[in-house]
Amino acid sequence: DIVLTQSPASLAVSLGQRATISCRASQRVSTSKYGYVHWYQQKPGQPPKLLIKYASNLESGVPARFSGSGSGTDFTLNIHPVEEEDSATYYCQHSWEIPWTFGGGTKLEIK
Amino acid sequence: QVTLKESGPGILQPSQTLSLTCSFSGFSLSTSGMGVIWIRQPSGKGLECLAHIYWDDDRRYNPSLKSRLTISKDTSSNQVFLKITSVDTADTATYYCARSTATGSMDYWGQGTSVTVSS
Repeated sequence: DIVLTQSPASLAVSLGQRATISCRASQRVSTSKYGYVHWYQQKPGQPPKLLIKYASNLESGVPARFSGSGSGTDFTLNIHPVEEEDSATYYCQHSWEIPWTFGGGTKLEIK
Repeated sequence: QVTLKESGPGILQPSQTLSLTCSFSGFSLSTSGMGVIWIRQPSGKGLECLAHIYWDDDRRYNPSLKSRLTISKDTSSNQVFLKITSVDTADTATYYCARSTATGSMDYWGQGTSVTVSS
């Protein structure tokens, strides 16, 4: 199975500042055209919500302060400027091969 | 408007078979590229993909659980089913179904159904 390692496991960011979350895959999960990594936000008691697909494509209705980048094995989710409502756990997920797997999650606290 | 809703037994005993139903609306599982996937999340822990069924009836399973899983669909009634045999306490989790698209992402999720395995 492809292992996705997220870092940090948790972070606290001041309101209006930037949050950066890393997702590293145990093997290449991108082609020259697509990165097969997607990002989700999950708040307590709710299902995950898709934010970014194909590494850098913002899902419809998601605020533009969310952005994704990366290729090969290294991918990043940025949130800038962070808002109170961004307090949540964030997960990356790959769809390179079966089984699709998720990273362990990054808990974001807004200071 | 796309919606998905999971239903299940709530609680069951070890060694029993867990049967879950995902009822969806707003899309057709006969549309090319569409799929429905089952994912579970133990309380306070991460997400695990279990089984995936596609518009063409292709079925894919998490290899670590494959021997215990069966996924199926009823396109006419817009439902997807998952059976997990021989459950034990490690299967206690919230079970979600989600729509997958050709991108490999999951763009709509149900609210989840909580399953507890306990004697």
